[in-house]
Amino acid sequence: DQQVKQNSPSLSVQEGRISILNCDYTNSMFDYFLWYKKYPAEGPTFLISISSIKDKNEDGRFTVFLNKSAKHLSLHIVPSQPGDSAVYFCAASVITGAGSYQLTFGKGTKLSVIP
Amino acid sequence: KAGVTQTPRYLIKTRGQQVTLSCSPISGHRSVSWYQQTPGQGLQFLFEYFSETQRNKGNFPGRFSGRQFSNSRSEMNVSTLELGDSALYLCVSSPTVETQYFGPGTRLLVL
Repeated sequence: DQQVKQNSPSLSVQEGRISILNCDYTNSMFDYFLWYKKYPAEGPTFLISISSIKDKNEDGRFTVFLNKSAKHLSLHIVPSQPGDSAVYFCAASVITGAGSYQLTFGKGTKLSVIP
Repeated sequence: KAGVTQTPRYLIKTRGQQVTLSCSPISGHRSVSWYQQTPGQGLQFLFEYFSETQRNKGNFPGRFSGRQFSNSRSEMNVSTLELGDSALYLCVSSPTVETQYFGPGTRLLVL
């Protein structure tokens, strides 16, 4: 049972336009949601996160929106640049009673920004 | 500040052997987690250590184990390797839930 789903395996966007990457989840107990960017042969790089008590977080060109009632979040990249081309992973975290946190990842969306 | 380091970066083993992977977290980070990435299953949580104690464990068989040392360095061990254990193993160094830093990974190939 996939608790975090990224239904679009790939996305192509023109340089300068907005990229919107989507993510759906099923577990209402998730406390934090995170987005990671991954280049081939490298570990994922943290981009931006949002607490479950917020509905928006912005950091430069990256904005994450959270819709708890729909169990949906999205990452907006404006404007998109060729260097943004990578695989983007959505992840969700539950903080356990012991204070531990584990990430549950989606399968990723490959973003291609066309010059 | 140095990032998360993992050694070795690449490893080839045969079925039935065992393997030990190492991770050095960012200085000052006490939480270290391990993840397995495969094309079919994606990124899956293995376990998390904090101050030498395993706080959480994912849904993997007992062949997968780990430990953390007093300097926060962590090792994971896989015994009796199977072909399906071929994967990228990623270590995560973390001070808080919303900031988690991945290492470059160890790519394990089991023949």
